Formats: sequence, structure tokens, C-alpha cells
Amino acid sequence: GAVVSQHPSWVICKSGTSVKIECRSLDFQATTMFWYRQFPKQSLMLMATSNEGSKATYEQGVEKDKFLINHASLTLSTLTVTSAHPEDSSFYICSAMDGNQPQHFGDGTRLSIL
Amino acid sequence: EDKVVQSPLSLVVHEGDTVTLNCSYEVTNFRSLLWYKQEKKAPTFLFMLTSSGIEKKSGRLSSILDKKELFSILNITATQTGDSAVYLCAAFLQGAQKLVFGQGTRLTINP
Repeated sequence: GAVVSQHPSWVICKSGTSVKIECRSLDFQATTMFWYRQFPKQSLMLMATSNEGSKATYEQGVEKDKFLINHASLTLSTLTVTSAHPEDSSFYICSAMDGNQPQHFGDGTRLSIL
Repeated sequence: EDKVVQSPLSLVVHEGDTVTLNCSYEVTNFRSLLWYKQEKKAPTFLFMLTSSGIEKKSGRLSSILDKKELFSILNITATQTGDSAVYLCAAFLQGAQKLVFGQGTRLTINP
């Protein structure tokens, strides 16, 4: 079945640093990738929709200069959390979609900012 | 505002019981309803429902969609401890091509 790989799975870093998270579709070409954020015991909140070769579409309230998204190829999208602060600590999950198929999720990245 | 509501938010049952999880939605440009199971990591796909009244089954799990009443249910029969997880439903929106998730139902199966 469709596989989405997300890396790293866990990162701890100091406040003020930037962190890059990668999302790859391993066995299909993902025309669209999505980035979600999930706080403990809460549901997934969509942050942005990323289409290959074009600018990402951000959901209301999500700072595009804070959360930089690049979708340079049909198999790779990256999310960079710039100048991260403790309030950015969260579980970030990507998903990828190929045409009309359901979204398949990566394993998520647990980000802890000290 | 697009909204997906799940109930109950939490459910604790004994192994062997049957459970029914509910999902109602109020969204624009509805295309399909999806169910996911989330354990410790990211959600894993269970079902995608596009048409009303057609039950989808996978082992002990089944699901059905009612597009007139705008809801879906997920049934799990003969529950096992391994079924313990958060079950998420999400409405997939045409046009915007995005998923709107419900809050999830935390299901705990006690031995």
C-alpha cells in the first residue's frame, strides 16, 4: 500500500533554532501534501496544503513566515519551523495524496523546544 | 464554518463487547467521509465512504454513511484490547481537497 515517510520522528532543540521536517511519498507521486499539527489529546489541525511546484495554501491563523513549506518534487515536501519557541512544541504530521485516493499519513514528528 | 463532530469523546468497554462510534458533519462541498485509527503515531486509514447506505467491512470493523442525515457510524464487533485507540473521522472537501477532522473518540478495551 501507499507509504509516506516522515523524518525525523523526534527532535529536541533550543529555543530560537530552526527545524526542518521532511515528508516523502515512497511508492507514489503525491500531487498534494498536507501538514497537520496535533496537540496532546486533541485532533489533527490542518496547517497548510502543499502542491508541487506552487506556493502552499495556509489555513487561517497559521503564520506562513513561521512555518515555511516547500514542495519541490512530487515525492518530497518539507516544513521548516523557523526560530522555534516552546509554544511550537507539538506533534507535526504530514500526509500525501495521489489523485482521488485517501490521504496516507507519515508517522509524525514530535518536536520539543527547550 | 466546516465542522465534524464525533461522539462519544471517550468510551470504555470490556473485551468482546460491540461498540458504535458516531460522526456527524456539516461542511461545504462534501465529497467523502474517512475513518482513521490512531494509536501512538500517525493515523492509519480504515475506510473511505462516498455513497450513502453502502456498508464497508473489514474484519470486525464496518462503517456506513448517511448523506441525507449527514452522519456516519463505525462499528467494531467482538472488541479486542488491540482495538484500543483514538478513532478519527474526517470529511474530505471537494475543491479545497482537504480533510476536516473530528475531535476523535478515545476507545479503551479492558480485558
